[in-house]
Amino acid sequence: QVQLQQWGAGLLKPSETLSLKCAVYGVSFSDYFWGWVRQPPGKGLEWIGEITRTRGTNYNPSLKSRVTISEDTSKNQFSLYLDSVTAADAAVYFCAARRASGTKRYPIQHWGQGTLVAVS
Amino acid sequence: QSVLTQPPSASGTPGQRVTISCSGSSSNIGSNYVYWYQQVPGTSPKLVIYNNGQRPSGVPDRFSGARSGTSASLAISGLQSEDEADYYCAAWDDSLNGFWIFGGGTRLTVL
Repeated sequence: QVQLQQWGAGLLKPSETLSLKCAVYGVSFSDYFWGWVRQPPGKGLEWIGEITRTRGTNYNPSLKSRVTISEDTSKNQFSLYLDSVTAADAAVYFCAARRASGTKRYPIQHWGQGTLVAVS
Repeated sequence: QSVLTQPPSASGTPGQRVTISCSGSSSNIGSNYVYWYQQVPGTSPKLVIYNNGQRPSGVPDRFSGARSGTSASLAISGLQSEDEADYYCAAWDDSLNGFWIFGGGTRLTVL
């Protein structure tokens, strides 16, 4: 069973870099795609991006210029970095996972507990 | 950032059937599967429908989904108080390099 445990700074100043980490438990790291989704207060979900089985990355076009998702397979962890944050980046950030497959596209089915990030 | 279009709210009384719509385009719903998530405020989303109309293990058969053209819908029959939550549709969008896109969410209230 996939378990995701996330952590990171919850208060940033404008122009700083957001940094969050997510640890993976219970599954082989190579069997899943690992990504991030955010949710501004009182608003809907927004996909940020993911790191794929081929260890490439795929990002939301609206955030691509500021986002980096990386992984540390030795620690079974992956990370999110978002540069030059503004008030518009304030949100709950979820780490997320979906099964990897060469032929099928699986949906996100596993979520971390969420981290509230404020920018002020 | 374009999103899939959902009504902001829906409501029903216990036992009723409610339907939530989700409108997209040819690059997302029109050519890829639709998924539905349930989110109780303050918690992480939970997948309740995948591949347009399939239910993950553990999701009651009161939940059903359908897709037609560039639109999709989630139906909940025999409404129960624990169904009160926010519901989001989602799909892969083939434009650019491809990305996941979500609906704006529908707050379901059980009266």
